Amino acid sequence: DQQVKQNSPSLSVQEGRISILNCDYTNSMFDYFLWYKKYPAEGPTFLISISSIKDKNEDGRFTVFLNKSAKHLSLHIVPSQPGDSAVYFCAALNAGNMLTFGGGTRLMVKP
Amino acid sequence: ETGVTQTPRHLVMGMTNKKSLKCEQHLGHNAMYWYKQSAKKPLELMFVYSLEERVENNSVPSRFSPECPNSSHLFLHLHTLQPEDSALYLCASSPGGHTDTQYFGPGTRLTVL
Repeated sequence: DQQVKQNSPSLSVQEGRISILNCDYTNSMFDYFLWYKKYPAEGPTFLISISSIKDKNEDGRFTVFLNKSAKHLSLHIVPSQPGDSAVYFCAALNAGNMLTFGGGTRLMVKP
Repeated sequence: ETGVTQTPRHLVMGMTNKKSLKCEQHLGHNAMYWYKQSAKKPLELMFVYSLEERVENNSVPSRFSPECPNSSHLFLHLHTLQPEDSALYLCASSPGGHTDTQYFGPGTRLTVL
């Protein structure tokens, strides 16, 4: 059973608009969440994270929101740029420092 | 050279072959990981080493055998693999503490014929 789920396999957004990528989790023991970005032929690279004691973390164009009661987090990218086109993975950490990844969402930003 | 490197980047092997994947990190990290990414499936954690000791093995078949000779190097020895083992194998490292960000290598694309 997948403990971290990204239900949208792909998302297409116009340049300059907002991209919203969603992630749901089932394990209430997760206490730290991360977003990774992956280009083809490269390993995932860390993008932004949030601790479970917060509900929002912002870094430039990227903002992650956490709704613990709903076990839901989202990544907002605004404004979206063509270079943001990649696969985005949501990941959750438990106390044992074990990352559990979602299946990824492929974001396509059209010029 | 910096970051996490993996060799080879691509590997094609038969089911009776024995091969090894290599990962090297130049970040001074204490923990290293092997992940498997199959098509249309989430990244799966295979092995975790912390300070060269294995701390996690997610029920990986014995045809995958990890080795961590020191904190900078991690190997994944492969033998008698199956076609369904074809996937992207990613290595990662982290400083070692909880909430540490993991830094990934580029991966090895493995095809088992």
